[in-house]
Amino acid sequence: AQKVTQAQTEISVVEKEDVTLDCVYETRDTTYYLFWYKQPPSGELVFLIRRNSFDEQNEISGRYSWNFQKSTSSFNFTITASQVVDSAVYFCARTSPSNTGNQFYFGTGTSLTVIP
Amino acid sequence: DAGVIQSPRHEVTEMGQEVTLRCKPISGHDYLFWYRQTMMRGLELLIYFNNNVPIDDSGMPEDRFSAKMPNASFSTLKIQPSEPRDSAVYFCASSPDRGSNQPQHFGDGTRLSIL
Repeated sequence: AQKVTQAQTEISVVEKEDVTLDCVYETRDTTYYLFWYKQPPSGELVFLIRRNSFDEQNEISGRYSWNFQKSTSSFNFTITASQVVDSAVYFCARTSPSNTGNQFYFGTGTSLTVIP
Repeated sequence: DAGVIQSPRHEVTEMGQEVTLRCKPISGHDYLFWYRQTMMRGLELLIYFNNNVPIDDSGMPEDRFSAKMPNASFSTLKIQPSEPRDSAVYFCASSPDRGSNQPQHFGDGTRLSIL
């Protein structure tokens, strides 16, 4: 199975709260890459971060941080001090290496609403 | 740098009509992907090309859908005849090379409504 599961369909938080978006994936591959994308209300899909399966260091970029735990097959995304502009649908994705490259498996997305 | 360019942004047409969606990938990207996004199914990969050659079209829903990539800078997704259930947002994406470490860069999408 190649599933990417985002169990949280919708989340609402009040501005300035922290929020964590969960992502769990299935794979038998030893090498793979994980991604997060943001889809704001305007509809475009914006690449946020890539993480390879050999690098379990957490990453922080401003108010965003990512926690990759291979032991639990999870790649969670935390927004600190959320803002209204963070309201969007967030997608987690995983690639599957193959001879022909680069197929993505997307989760179903988590819709985040930040209430002012 | 120009991103992935899709046209039209919006298309409204009556069922039975032919619909053509267009995509210009980022220059130098070897891979091009067509996705469909609906509330019910989320993001579905329809087809992808490598160096203009279709690699996997297993996601194409039925024979009414076809995709071409005549050159490295242009691809089309055609629906003929269109049906109301084809209403969705269609995204085109491109990525630089065969490695599975490359993010896909998405266009702004075409919002298609079939009446």
